[in-house]
Amino acid sequence: AQSVAQPEDQVNVAEGNPLTVKCTYSVSGNPYLFWYVQYPNRGLQFLLKYITGDNLVKGSYGFEAEFNKSQTSFHLKKPSALVSDSALYFCAVRDNHAGANNLFFGTGTRLTVIP
Amino acid sequence: NAGVMQNPRHLVRRRGQEARLRCSPMKGHSHVYWYRQLPEEGLKFMVYLQKENIIDESGMPKERFSAEFPKEGPSILRIQQVVRGDSAAYFCASSANTAGRTDTQYFGPGTRLTVL
Repeated sequence: AQSVAQPEDQVNVAEGNPLTVKCTYSVSGNPYLFWYVQYPNRGLQFLLKYITGDNLVKGSYGFEAEFNKSQTSFHLKKPSALVSDSALYFCAVRDNHAGANNLFFGTGTRLTVIP
Repeated sequence: NAGVMQNPRHLVRRRGQEARLRCSPMKGHSHVYWYRQLPEEGLKFMVYLQKENIIDESGMPKERFSAEFPKEGPSILRIQQVVRGDSAAYFCASSANTAGRTDTQYFGPGTRLTVL
C-alpha cells in the first residue's frame, strides 16, 4: 500500500535560515512524489514533483526537494526562509495500482518562519 | 487562464438536507478528483472521474455520497441527508488527459461544508 509520513507536525525556523520539511514514503513500484502548500482557507498549491531523473527537483518559490531512494525520503528544502513561506505543507504519493490515479497525502507539517 | 473553480466556497446545511458541491476543471483537463479534508488533517481521496465515467470510487462512503462528471457542465459531488460528521472542506482537483500517471493535479479553493 502507498503511504507517506511527515514526522513533524510543526517546524519553526528563523527568517533567512535554511528550512527542511521531512517526508518519507512507502510504495510498491516506482514512486511518484509531490509537494503541495496550503495557505489558510485556501486550496493546495503545487510546488514540485519527482517522477524520474535527477534526484534534486526544483520547484516554485525557490523550493526544492531531494529524492533519496535508499532512505525512501523526499524532503522539501529552501536555502533561505521567508516569513511568507509560513503555511501548511503536504507531501503526497501517487497511487500505483492499475487504474488508480489518486494521491495519498501526509498529515501535513505547519511551517512557521519567525521574523 | 482560469484554474480549478469550485462553488459554493461555503455551504451551510442542517442535518438531513442535501449538499451539492460543484467543480469546474481547468481548461483542457478531463480528469477530476474529489478529496475531503477534516480539520487539522491531510486530504483523503474520495473519487476519480473522467467525462461521464467514474474510474475509482474506492474512497467514497457507500451511502449518501455520489459523484458525477457529465459530458457538459461541472462535476458534482452530492451528499444526501447530511450529518454533522460530513462537516469538512471538500477539494476538487483536475489533471490533463494523458496515458501516464505523471500529470500534476491542480486543486481548487475548496468548499467548506458546515452541517448544523
